[in-house]
Amino acid sequence: DTEVTQTPKHLVMGMTNKKSLKCEQHMGHRAMYWYKQKAKKPPELMFVYSYEKLSINESVPSRFSPECPNSSLLNLHLHALQPEDSALYLCASSLTGGRSNQPQHFGDGTRLSIL
Amino acid sequence: AQTVTQSQPEMSVQEAETVTLSCTYDTSESDYYLFWYKQPPSRQMILVIRQEAYKQQNATENRFSVNFQKAAKSFSLKISDSQLGDAAMYFCASWGGDSNYQLIWGAGTKLIIKP
Repeated sequence: DTEVTQTPKHLVMGMTNKKSLKCEQHMGHRAMYWYKQKAKKPPELMFVYSYEKLSINESVPSRFSPECPNSSLLNLHLHALQPEDSALYLCASSLTGGRSNQPQHFGDGTRLSIL
Repeated sequence: AQTVTQSQPEMSVQEAETVTLSCTYDTSESDYYLFWYKQPPSRQMILVIRQEAYKQQNATENRFSVNFQKAAKSFSLKISDSQLGDAAMYFCASWGGDSNYQLIWGAGTKLIIKP
C-alpha cells in the first residue's frame, strides 16, 4: 500500500484546459517533491517544498504552478500545457529535506496526456 | 558534478537464479548516501535498499544485497532467488547536485524475469 496518495491516476486534457494534480501524505514528512517522468527514463525533479516553503524550482515553465496548502498536501496546477508535457507525474515525500539516509517515498503517479 | 551511471539498459535472468545490476557513481564528497529504487509496471517507485557511505558493511534486505566498493565508486545490486515480481525498472540514485534536495539518478536497468 502506498503511503503517498496521488489523484487522479489518469488525466487527459486539452491544451487550453486548467486542471490540478493532488498529492497527500500522512507520515509527518516535511519535504515534498514533484517529478516528471518520461517512459523508461529516470524522474526529473520539478519542485521541492520544505516545511511548506518552495525550496527548489528547477526552471519549470510557468504553465506548471505548485502549491503546498499544508504539510500533508501538495498540488500541481496545470494550465495551457503542451503535448510534450505528456508524462507520468510523481509526487514524493521525505522525513526531512536534505541529504541523509532518509529515502523519498513515492506515490503511484498521475499519467497525464495532453491532446 | 556528481553523476550516477547504470551501464546495463536491460538484463534478463531465469526465475530462481541470481542477477547483479551494476551502478557506478562519481562524487567528491566524503559523506554520501546511495539508494536502489524499483519501478514495476504499476508505476510506483519503491525503495529497495540504501547504503550509507561511512558504513563498511554492505546493506542487505532479504533477497536484495549490495556490493559497495567505495574506492571503485561502485554500488551494485544483487538479487538472489529471482521472482517474477522482481520484473521492473531498477534505478540507482544518490543525493547530489547543487542543492541538498536533489537525487541524482542513473538511467535505469530493465530487469526481465524468465519463467
